[in-house]
This record gives sequence, structure tokens and C-alpha cells, in this order.
Amino acid sequence: DTAVSQTPKYLVTQMGNDKSIKCEQNLGHDTMYWYKQDSKKFLKIMFSYNNKELIINETVPNRFSPKSPDKAHLNLHINSLELGDSAVYFCASSLRRADNEQFFGPGTRLTVL
Amino acid sequence: LAKTTQPISMDSYEGQEVNITCSHNNIATNDYITWYQQFPSQGPRFIIQGYKTKVTNEVASLFIPADRKSSTLSLPRVSLSDTAVYYCLVGGIYNQGGKLIFGQGTELSVKP
Repeated sequence: DTAVSQTPKYLVTQMGNDKSIKCEQNLGHDTMYWYKQDSKKFLKIMFSYNNKELIINETVPNRFSPKSPDKAHLNLHINSLELGDSAVYFCASSLRRADNEQFFGPGTRLTVL
Repeated sequence: LAKTTQPISMDSYEGQEVNITCSHNNIATNDYITWYQQFPSQGPRFIIQGYKTKVTNEVASLFIPADRKSSTLSLPRVSLSDTAVYYCLVGGIYNQGGKLIFGQGTELSVKP
């Protein structure tokens, strides 16, 4: 009964490929997020959706496109992958859009070769 | 957004009380102080949040002085499993839409 799940856990791919990471939460939360954690362990928010509506869109290359088919799912699609995209991507959710208590998934380690 | 400063690393021994202090000199009136814990290869986990004075839960205590320019996370009687990175975050609940700003964190190492 995992609260926030992500697939895949590991993703190794070549430069230029397109890949997707899926996230699902079974907590009944309204808000979901995508974060990127680089090799220096800095964690930065990328996107946030509240009830399928985009509410946070940080300065992220257009190659990254989030999609929320319903409020329990938030997927991240990345086009034309670059070496610098290698990182751990975390999905998170919170009950409401204004909550500082967020529940994080286990992360997806993306390696671009 | 208020900037936070915390020690990069700390060492402790099992059974000791660990206090991690975070400085946030330009904290705003609406800002809350939130602490997260992250184990290797896992996502961050919410520990505690407070606005002023003292907050305690089953995991930790959070001490916030009257001027709110700093805060101290207190972990009682740490064990090896408390080895993790601890992040101090400062931000408003209602005016940032849940945008958490993580700093570099404090890497706590608990030794036997």
C-alpha cells in the first residue's frame, strides 16, 4: 500500500532519446509535484499540479513536459535527453496546494549516456 | 524567499541528543519553519513544522526563539538509523503554493 509510487526506479538511456516517468499517489491528495535532485544533492522543484491544473512551472527546459490525467497521477515526459538531465527525480504529493508537508516517492534515478 | 544556513555535516554517537541549528535571518511574518529528513536512496520525509516557540512530536522537537531568525531541530537519543541528511526549509504555507525550497542540508552521521 505504497503512498507515492514511481516507475521506473532506474532509467538508463542514450542522449537524444525520449523517456517518461510515471507517478501515482493513493493518498487522495489534491496536489502533486516533480523535483530534481542533482549529483550535489540539491533538491529543486520543477512542476506542481493541483487537481490536474498546473500551478508551479519553474524554469525548466521545454523538453520537460508534465501531464496529469487525473489528480492521482502526474507523469513526466522528457524529450531529447541530454547528459545534464542525469539526476534523481522525485514525485511528491500534498493534501492541499498550500501544504508544506509533502509526501515523496522513492525516486527515479535517470542516467543519460 | 528566506535563505537558510545550516551546518554541512555533524557527527554524533548513539544515545546522544543531537541539535541541528538553522539560521534564517530574513524570515517573513507568514513563513513557517519545516524540517525534512532524507535517507540515502530515498525521498525526503517530513519531520516537523513550527511557527514559534516549541513544537514536539514523536520524532523530534523544534525550538524557535522569539525573533524567529533561527531554529533548532532536536533529536533525542539518536540511533544509527538516524544517519541521514536533514533539511531546514522556511516558507509560507499560504503564499507559495507549496513550493518547498530545499537548501544543502546537514548530513548527520551517527556512530556506534
